Amino acid sequence: AQRVTQPEKLLSVFKGAPVELKCNYSYSGSPELFWYVQYSRQRLQLLLRHISRESIKGFTADLNKGETSFHLKKPFAQEEDSAMYYCALSSSNAGNMLTFGGGTRLMVKP
Amino acid sequence: EPEVTQTPSHQVTQMGQEVILRCVPISNHLYFYWYRQILGQKVEFLVSFYNNEISEKSEIFDDQFSVERPDGSNFTLKIRSTKLEDSAMYFCASTTYGGPYEQYFGPGTRLTVT
Repeated sequence: AQRVTQPEKLLSVFKGAPVELKCNYSYSGSPELFWYVQYSRQRLQLLLRHISRESIKGFTADLNKGETSFHLKKPFAQEEDSAMYYCALSSSNAGNMLTFGGGTRLMVKP
Repeated sequence: EPEVTQTPSHQVTQMGQEVILRCVPISNHLYFYWYRQILGQKVEFLVSFYNNEISEKSEIFDDQFSVERPDGSNFTLKIRSTKLEDSAMYFCASTTYGGPYEQYFGPGTRLTVT
């Protein structure tokens, strides 16, 4: 069975500080991993996915198959980064359903 | 930019009643999904739908649940006889292709069962 774990429910940092949101997964196949973000009163939206290797809004995430991790990082947090962040895994064997982690609320203080 | 829409935004119903949650996916999308999030818990997959049939469903999606694409635009989730534990936020999502592509989410319908 596939599983995604985000160990921190809340992460609070000051503006300008580095941010790392942790995500670990378990999946027997070749994983496709995503980070989704939900800003206050807005819908879930894709932040980035590992296959595209993009940097969006200064965020990056590297898939580490050895550690089964896909941590989200940003060198300098901004107040507008405050949101709920969800790590998700797509299963190509199951209609491409997404399995979500529990989410981490990022609060960036001024 | 096209968006997935969902109606209603909030639905209150009594236990045992039937509810239908409605979604309008993005018009050229072919794959449709329902997820739910009980307050304080994870977003959980319910069902995926492609080519007018269910392609995958979770253990949560039992006989009380059904999905339908009654016309070219709507995608509905029906709960036949609601239970208190069905209270949750229900999200619809759609995507153009199968595979690890971005799923576009609707704003959600908050279902409250009393």
